[in-house]
Amino acid sequence: AQSVTQLGSHVSVSEGALVLLRCNYSSSVPPYLFWYVQYPNQGLQLLLKYTSAATLVKGINGFEAEFKKSETSFHLTKPSAHMSDAAEYFCAVSDQVQGAQKLVFGQGTRLTINP
Amino acid sequence: GAVVSQHPSWVICKSGTSVKIECRSLDFQATTMFWYRQFPKQSLMLMATSNEGSKATYEQGVEKDKFLINHASLTLSTLTVTSAHPEDSSFYICSARDPGRGTQYFGPGTRLTVL
Repeated sequence: AQSVTQLGSHVSVSEGALVLLRCNYSSSVPPYLFWYVQYPNQGLQLLLKYTSAATLVKGINGFEAEFKKSETSFHLTKPSAHMSDAAEYFCAVSDQVQGAQKLVFGQGTRLTINP
Repeated sequence: GAVVSQHPSWVICKSGTSVKIECRSLDFQATTMFWYRQFPKQSLMLMATSNEGSKATYEQGVEKDKFLINHASLTLSTLTVTSAHPEDSSFYICSARDPGRGTQYFGPGTRLTVL
């Protein structure tokens, strides 16, 4: 069975500071990994995805994530936080080709940006 | 990116009544759609996988007679919450798989409140 653990249910950073949201996964097969962002009372928007190509994946809004198999991690980073980045972030794993079948989500990390 | 819509965006109903939620893929044909449930400040829990023209596959612990899913066309899936009770109050989110892009796209969600 696959699982995802997001370390830290709440992360708070200052505007302009580095954003680091942690995600560790467990999978018995090569995983496909995703980061989604959710704004209040809205659905999920795909930030980026890893599907066994380049280990460093660049997404929208300046976010990127690095797949590290040895650490079973897929942490999300952004060099400089913006107020508009405040939202809930979910890491997810799938074992299907192109990662578009059943997704298993982490518990989510709420990102707060301080002015 | 691809667009998935849900209707209604919010609904309030009396206990014992049934509520239907629609999920539509607006610019692609989705052979597979997914229904999730999200409780406040929690992650998304997959309820069922809906395949066009066949019966939905429900996750363990989800009552298929209570949460009726119909995927009658390649662009529409419906979730009907039958005989709703206050404990069914939640945020319901659908997603649709775009086979061309190999990605799931999420709807904006439907907030159900059962009085």
